[in-house]
Amino acid sequence: NAGVTQTPKFRVLKTGQSMTLLCAQDMNHEYMYWYRQDPGMGLRLIHYSVGEGTTAKGEVPDGYNVSRLKKQNFLLGLESAAPSQTSVYFCASSRGGDWSSGANVLTFGAGSRLTVL
Amino acid sequence: AQSVTQLDSQVPVFEEAPVELRCNYSSSVSVYLFWYVQYPNQGLQLLLKYLSGSTLVKGINGFEAEFNKSQTSFHLRKPSVHISDTAEYFCAVRVFSGSARQLTFGSGTQLTVLP
Repeated sequence: NAGVTQTPKFRVLKTGQSMTLLCAQDMNHEYMYWYRQDPGMGLRLIHYSVGEGTTAKGEVPDGYNVSRLKKQNFLLGLESAAPSQTSVYFCASSRGGDWSSGANVLTFGAGSRLTVL
Repeated sequence: AQSVTQLDSQVPVFEEAPVELRCNYSSSVSVYLFWYVQYPNQGLQLLLKYLSGSTLVKGINGFEAEFNKSQTSFHLRKPSVHISDTAEYFCAVRVFSGSARQLTFGSGTQLTVLP
């Protein structure tokens, strides 16, 4: 009963390097999300997906790309890392559907801490 | 645009004392409201939610929140806190209508329970 699993948990990059964060969920959820968490700023949505093969931009998408080739996986890529991307990244998923039924309560992963030097 | 304001970034309180964590939102339309809790080095967990109906919502671990539409607030309360309640608490809101499929989170309140 893993829920939402993020890999890696920690990563240190040099400016200009690229990397991919992997998010996997085993709950058959339709919707998946990538957030970043910075001190004093709460969580900000980077990109999200409402189904396999679909992605959409959130509040802070610049510098990131995503892919959802399989329903259970949502990948977040940094093509050329910058120090401003130092953050804790959280993946989340939800069943999708009518908000009034509670179908979009988010289940979060444990986070991935990224440092860009 | 909707926004969420958590008025206190840090709240220290002694064990067994009551606590209130404040959350205000700005929206001219109806909203769905949530409180999430983040324990150290973990992801966020849902504490409680308001979707409709009774304005007093009860959640896990003895927490409750009251939706006040006229004051656009959704404050979180617990009558007696424990050391294990030490965590960061996030208020989140989703506007009732529109195509946005996302929550807006507040900046968080760090609750520290002192022995």
